Amino acid sequence: EAQVTQNPRYLITVTGKKLTVTCSQNMNHEYMSWYRQDPGLGLRQIYYSMNVEVTDKGDVPEGYKVSRKEKRNFPLILESPSPNQTSLYFCASSLSGGQGGNVLTFGAGSRLTVL
Amino acid sequence: AQSVTQLGSHVSVSEGALVLLRCNYSSSVPPYLFWYVQYPNQGLQLLLKYTTGATLVKGINGFEAEFKKSETSFHLTKPSAHMSDAAEYFCAVKPGYSTLTFGKGTMLLVSP
Repeated sequence: EAQVTQNPRYLITVTGKKLTVTCSQNMNHEYMSWYRQDPGLGLRQIYYSMNVEVTDKGDVPEGYKVSRKEKRNFPLILESPSPNQTSLYFCASSLSGGQGGNVLTFGAGSRLTVL
Repeated sequence: AQSVTQLGSHVSVSEGALVLLRCNYSSSVPPYLFWYVQYPNQGLQLLLKYTTGATLVKGINGFEAEFKKSETSFHLTKPSAHMSDAAEYFCAVKPGYSTLTFGKGTMLLVSP
């Protein structure tokens, strides 16, 4: 089944404890992206990747890191999480991110709470 | 930069009534337009999209949307709401090579 898989789905952590949210897709998509969803703010893009080894900042990149060493994986790293990073996180992928109306396939989401 | 405005964070309808969710956008170039739906505790999934050609676009579950360039709008409609339509709906715009920008979402509430 074509899908985007995120782990963990739920995580409670404490301020300053590094964590990684993994994201993997099995559709050979070039483009991958991370979003955070907060009530009343919709989805805001954190980072995106047009292809392997190519990443770029979205609208809210502060406090996050990403890497794209392989086409299928796009982990989101919080080096020193803070309470304002408590949110619902979505990974998404599409065939390409360039010109065109490519449709995003979303993961099921990762709910992160930072105490 | 592009932007998306969804009018109304919550819309309530009765089962069987018309659903109308409003979306206006700003874009410096002709955009691609999307509606995504998010059911409780799930990720987003595509309802429909407009790329080029016919301005009335039909999607899944009986939804449709009309691209009106002069009004910079892409409103989502469904003639008759079902209880199963209760979800959050997101309009999104992608001008050319730019990345996708989402609106803040509209929660659709359907009462019996």
